[in-house]
Amino acid sequence: DTGVSQDPRHKITKRGQNVTFRCDPISEHNRLYWYRQTLGQGPEFLTYFQNEAQLEKSRLLSDRFSAERPKGSFSTLEIQRTEQGDSAMYLCASSLYRGLHTEAFFGQGTRLTVV
Amino acid sequence: AQKVTQAQTEISVVEKEDVTLDCVYETRDTTYYLFWYKQPPSGELVFLIRRNSFDEQNEISGRYSWNFQKSTSSFNFTITASQVVDSAVYFCALSAPNTGFQKLVFGTGTRLLVSP
Repeated sequence: DTGVSQDPRHKITKRGQNVTFRCDPISEHNRLYWYRQTLGQGPEFLTYFQNEAQLEKSRLLSDRFSAERPKGSFSTLEIQRTEQGDSAMYLCASSLYRGLHTEAFFGQGTRLTVV
Repeated sequence: AQKVTQAQTEISVVEKEDVTLDCVYETRDTTYYLFWYKQPPSGELVFLIRRNSFDEQNEISGRYSWNFQKSTSSFNFTITASQVVDSAVYFCALSAPNTGFQKLVFGTGTRLLVSP
């Protein structure tokens, strides 16, 4: 399977706990994106990387959220001190940027439930 | 600011019916991209089409067709002879230069239910 892979697919955590999600993009894709999708809504942009550099962060990404892409390959998204409002689907996408915009390919997402 | 509106929350059709999903967008940019994605129950967003703002030619791909009209800021999606496997949530999205074309702005989606 050469698509975008996300792990875990589902995560249930207690309020106040920390969680970390992983995304493996399509190999050779230099851009990686994180989106959040709540029930009945479209995905909302959180942040994106070009190689290992984080180039943009949405205001949705509070101080409790941190994302990394240390070697320009896989990425992690960590949420500290989770709150019930963090319950959502977290989607990762990747694309190959060569100076022109190309479509992003999405993974199946990690569904987070904070109880 | 960019905005995408999908006014149809849910559409139910019977197999073999044709169905059109509406998408209206707002942007002040003259260069932008429009997209449609399909989200089946598995959760993955499946890319269907990308269209740039300078290409108003309609496109057909099998049972799928797209009608892009800049005059009405619409990018509608038609499925001909719908099938049960078409049941999913469909999202229209926009990207524009003020974000380096990196951020996709999505509509709220239209849930399509195709019954046998």
